[in-house]
Amino acid sequence: QVQLVQSGGEVKKPGASVKVSCKASGYTFTSYYLHWVRQAPGQGPEWMGIINSSGGGTSYAQKFQGRVTMTRDTSTSTVYMELTRLRSDDTAVYYCAREDGAVAGIFDFWGQGTLVTVSS
Amino acid sequence: DIQMTQSPSSLSASVGDRVTLTCRAGHPITTHLNWYQQKPGKAPNLLIYAASSLQSGVPSRFSGSGSGTHFTLIISSLQPEDSATYYCQQSYNTPYTFGQGTKVEI
Repeated sequence: QVQLVQSGGEVKKPGASVKVSCKASGYTFTSYYLHWVRQAPGQGPEWMGIINSSGGGTSYAQKFQGRVTMTRDTSTSTVYMELTRLRSDDTAVYYCAREDGAVAGIFDFWGQGTLVTVSS
Repeated sequence: DIQMTQSPSSLSASVGDRVTLTCRAGHPITTHLNWYQQKPGKAPNLLIYAASSLQSGVPSRFSGSGSGTHFTLIISSLQPEDSATYYCQQSYNTPYTFGQGTKVEI
């Protein structure tokens, strides 16, 4: 069965960086794109960007350009999302989500989420 | 960015009721509209994609319709396990955007 297992919660100070991992299993890793979506407390989800699990190409939401980097390791079927220059409003649950193989922008499987707390 | 607006923000209904949730897009998105269910502390779960296609494993009491800028999610007979927040999301173009959600209470 398809599983996306994320790394554990993080507490960071403003200005620091965080790197969250997402390990995929139960399907051919390189056949599907993966996205990162975050959700601040009490808010709707917010799309951050996408990574091509095969070639490694990325596309980021303009809001996060210059602060976010998404990478992948095909040997371990893992994708990573690093966010730098953290601010208090980056406090959120960060999810990886697999894109449906047939149609872009549909998220058919999600990780369990990683809470990132930014606080001084 | 395409703004997605959901209404109502919350509702309370009884088991067996027919419930209608609405989502409006700020720009025409044809049928590139998806619905997710989220329970507290859990990740969103895909219910409906392409406005009206039921995701595998989702009960048939859920249905979706609409095109352009106006979309609806209908729960034909509300069940206790349907208590959750429902989000619409446009997949017409990036950045993909979500609504602010409708919280359904039983």
